[in-house]
Amino acid sequence: DTGVSQNPRHKITKRGQNVTFRCDPISEHNRLYWYRQTLGQGPEFLTYFQNEAQLEKSRLLSDRFSAERPKGSFSTLEIQRTEQGDSAMYLCAGEAGQETQYFGPGTRLLVL
Amino acid sequence: GDSVTQMEGPVTLSEEAFLTINCTYTATGYPSLFWYVQYPGEGLQLLLKATKADDKGSNKGFEATYRKETTSFHLEKGSVQVSDSAVYFCALNSGYSTLTFGKGTMLLVSP
Repeated sequence: DTGVSQNPRHKITKRGQNVTFRCDPISEHNRLYWYRQTLGQGPEFLTYFQNEAQLEKSRLLSDRFSAERPKGSFSTLEIQRTEQGDSAMYLCAGEAGQETQYFGPGTRLLVL
Repeated sequence: GDSVTQMEGPVTLSEEAFLTINCTYTATGYPSLFWYVQYPGEGLQLLLKATKADDKGSNKGFEATYRKETTSFHLEKGSVQVSDSAVYFCALNSGYSTLTFGKGTMLLVSP
């Protein structure tokens, strides 16, 4: 158990709807990362936070995606106007400053 | 840019067989290297890591040695078990914080 939790574990939505995922790292994780994993592929980086500051965003993160980490604790990832191509596993990882990222169980999104 | 190439799967073995999963990388500087394992329906678990050339990472009978001269980090295990069936990901961190992953290699172990 990495101590990183994600909710919900599964989400089914209709195209065009908005969805929000939550990630709760452990308190020592000053860095928090979001990745997206599609079937048969490795995870791809989306964005990361150092405490509450969002320091980097991938070009994969279109303007329909937004992430926050208020107070440097939990984080949310919102997708607006979902598209079928957004269907994927969304993974969150925490890091305590030693280059090792610890992943949560992921949220599997299906857009119908 | 950074990239990781893994051997394609699935790798199918009988229990107690020897395992090798090849991983090579391209990166600027001297990256840290990782192996993660993903069981069905779950997130990624760190299996082992190595942070500099010639380091050997090991955990649960798995080993991998950081070979700078061949830019490789092959995963090995002397005797696999059915419970080792999973997808294995090689990854690197070249100091820019984010991890770059390979596509993963599925391992299937039969009794």
